[in-house]
Amino acid sequence: EVQLLESGGGLVQPGGSLRLSCAASGFTFSSYAMSWVRQAPGKGLEWVSAISGSGGSTYYADSVKGRFTISRDNSKNTLYLQMNSLRAEDTAVYYCAKDFLTGQPYWYFDLWGRGTLVTVSS
Amino acid sequence: EIVMTQSPATLSVSPGERATLSCRASQSVSSNLAWYQQKPGQAPRLLIYGASTRATGIPARFSGSGSGTEFTLTISSLQSEDFAVYYCQQYNNWPLTFGQGTRLEIK
Repeated sequence: EVQLLESGGGLVQPGGSLRLSCAASGFTFSSYAMSWVRQAPGKGLEWVSAISGSGGSTYYADSVKGRFTISRDNSKNTLYLQMNSLRAEDTAVYYCAKDFLTGQPYWYFDLWGRGTLVTVSS
Repeated sequence: EIVMTQSPATLSVSPGERATLSCRASQSVSSNLAWYQQKPGQAPRLLIYGASTRATGIPARFSGSGSGTEFTLTISSLQSEDFAVYYCQQYNNWPLTFGQGTRLEIK
C-alpha cells in the first residue's frame, strides 16, 4: 500500500527541539521530492520545507529558515524535519507530502500522511 | 512571495447545485496551480493540477480553469461528500504558497 506515516510530534517548551519522521512505503521513495506542510489549529495550510529526491536541494519558508532542517535517508525510506528554537506559532499538525511526479519535481502533492501534532507551550 | 487569495471564505450551496470557487494570485503563476480538498480530521487530497487537469480518481464533476492570476474550481452538481474546505496552491515560485481556503457548506 502506498502511504506516508509521520511520527515524532508532541508537547515541547518554547525554545526546545523536536525531530519529525515520515516513513514512506509502497513507492520508490528516492525518486520523489518530498515536502513538509503544516496546519495550525483551525487554520489553513502552510508549506514549510521541501527536498529533492536525492536530498541535494532543499527549500524553506522564511518563517522556519535557520531553525528547521529537512533531510532524508533514502536507504530507510524516511523523511525528517529537525525543528529547533521552537515557538508557540510553530504549533500545528505537520504533514509530509509526496511530489506528484518522479524525477523532475513539480512541487504539488498527490500523497499526504495523516499528520503529527506539534504543540509548543510552557 | 506570491499571495494566493481565495473567495469567498465560505460558500453555502444546496446539493445538486453548482459551486464556483475562486483563487487569485498576486502575480502570474502561469498554469502552475493545484486545488486540494480537505475534510475534517483528514489530510488534503489533490483534485486538480496544471490549473485544469483532474488527478487520478477525481470525478468529472470537478473542473478547473484559468491561468496567470485568476483561477476557478467548479463543482458541477454537488454531492454530500463534496462539502469540505478547498485550497489552491501555486507552485510557480518559491516559496510554495496556499490560499486561505474556501469552506463549502450545505445550504
